[in-house]
Amino acid sequence: GQQLNQSPQSMFIQEGEDVSMNCTSSSIFNTWLWYKQDPGEGPVLLIALYKAGELTSNGRLTAQFGITRKDSFLNISASIPSDVGIYFCAGQLQAGGGADGLTFGKGTHLIIQP
Amino acid sequence: KAGVTQTPRYLIKTRGQQVTLSCSPISGHRSVSWYQQTPGQGLQFLFEYFSETQRNKGNFPGRFSGRQFSNSRSEMNVSTLELGDSALYLCASSLFITAGGYTFGSGTRLTVV
Repeated sequence: GQQLNQSPQSMFIQEGEDVSMNCTSSSIFNTWLWYKQDPGEGPVLLIALYKAGELTSNGRLTAQFGITRKDSFLNISASIPSDVGIYFCAGQLQAGGGADGLTFGKGTHLIIQP
Repeated sequence: KAGVTQTPRYLIKTRGQQVTLSCSPISGHRSVSWYQQTPGQGLQFLFEYFSETQRNKGNFPGRFSGRQFSNSRSEMNVSTLELGDSALYLCASSLFITAGGYTFGSGTRLTVV
């Protein structure tokens, strides 16, 4: 089946630093989603991307849908303590009026040192 | 506006038993999906329901089943539980199947002993 390679697996950064993580796929998607999950909670949608080349921002977060439709990245600027958590990318392939379920990356664990 | 509600939050079952988990989607959302999250395999798609019909199914054995009711609420059932079924089971809802922006519940933590 489809696989998403998400990197890095974990990041240890200082508060105020910028963060960058990415996902690559062996096959194309026509939707890319980025989620954040806190302990004991379900993933929360951060950014949704629907078109190849699309660049979308949500506050300090910026994500892009790769031109090849096989990759996406997420940047977080000026990190703050509440950014700690696990970030997941997810891809979805839609065709013929239907859609596959989401395929998730294994996550990037963000740890911020004060 | 209430979010996606999953019950129960925690569950402990014995091998061989069966279990039913419940999910109430956001009001107005007609698509409900289920995912299994484990440390080893990560988040994996189980199935998706829309208008009481299963529209998509992931690569899980037939012991995993689900259904959706006319009010869009959904249940998933796991029969003949195995130790490996221990996981966080997440439900997500969206307006339509192709909406992409799924909203997840907090999950049901199932432990099989």
